Amino acid sequence: QQQVKQSPQSLIVQKGGISIINCAYENTAFDYFPWYQQFPGKGPALLIAIRPDVSEKKEGRFTISFNKSAKQFSLHIMDSQPGDSATYFCAAPKGIKAAGNKLTFGGGTRVLVKP
Amino acid sequence: GAGVSQSPSNKVTEKGKDVELRCDPISGHTALYWYRQSLGQGLEFLIYFQGNSAPDKSGLPSDRFSAERTGGSVSTLTIQRTQQEDSAVYLCASSSHREGVAFFGQGTRLTVV
Repeated sequence: QQQVKQSPQSLIVQKGGISIINCAYENTAFDYFPWYQQFPGKGPALLIAIRPDVSEKKEGRFTISFNKSAKQFSLHIMDSQPGDSATYFCAAPKGIKAAGNKLTFGGGTRVLVKP
Repeated sequence: GAGVSQSPSNKVTEKGKDVELRCDPISGHTALYWYRQSLGQGLEFLIYFQGNSAPDKSGLPSDRFSAERTGGSVSTLTIQRTQQEDSAVYLCASSSHREGVAFFGQGTRLTVV
């Protein structure tokens, strides 16, 4: 069974700072690592995803870094804004490919950006 | 519809009653998940349907919980003899066979009184 360990559980950062969330997985044969963002009262929404043939992917202020040898991937939120305050979940597929395989989610990180 | 639709959005029920929660996935999506989320907590996996394969029921917390997916589309999660600890938001998600992205609905907030 795939396990995804996410840390920290919660994070407080000042506006303009960098938020960093880490995830570690167990199995090595995956091709897709998504991050989800969830606001209170809403369902999680896909934020950004990475495939392991690249070590980094950037979309605006959000960057995913992937370290295959360490079996870790992380989300960096640059220039954090109060609107980024949300819960973030990482995920990894159970099988070799993302398609057709169940996603396993990390425990979530509650991020609070103080103005 | 354009996204995953769940109904009802809110449900208040008395302890001991049965409830049914409905999920309409994105058209054409072969995979469907049910998750449970307690207030301020993470996503607790309940059940996973993928095409015509046998569902992965490994996350169902007790035999009071069951789910079915008719015609490979709409899914119903049934909780029998509800207990107060069943109070949570129940989230449904679907994904395409070709991609790994899961799209979530807004959830059904269940309150057992």
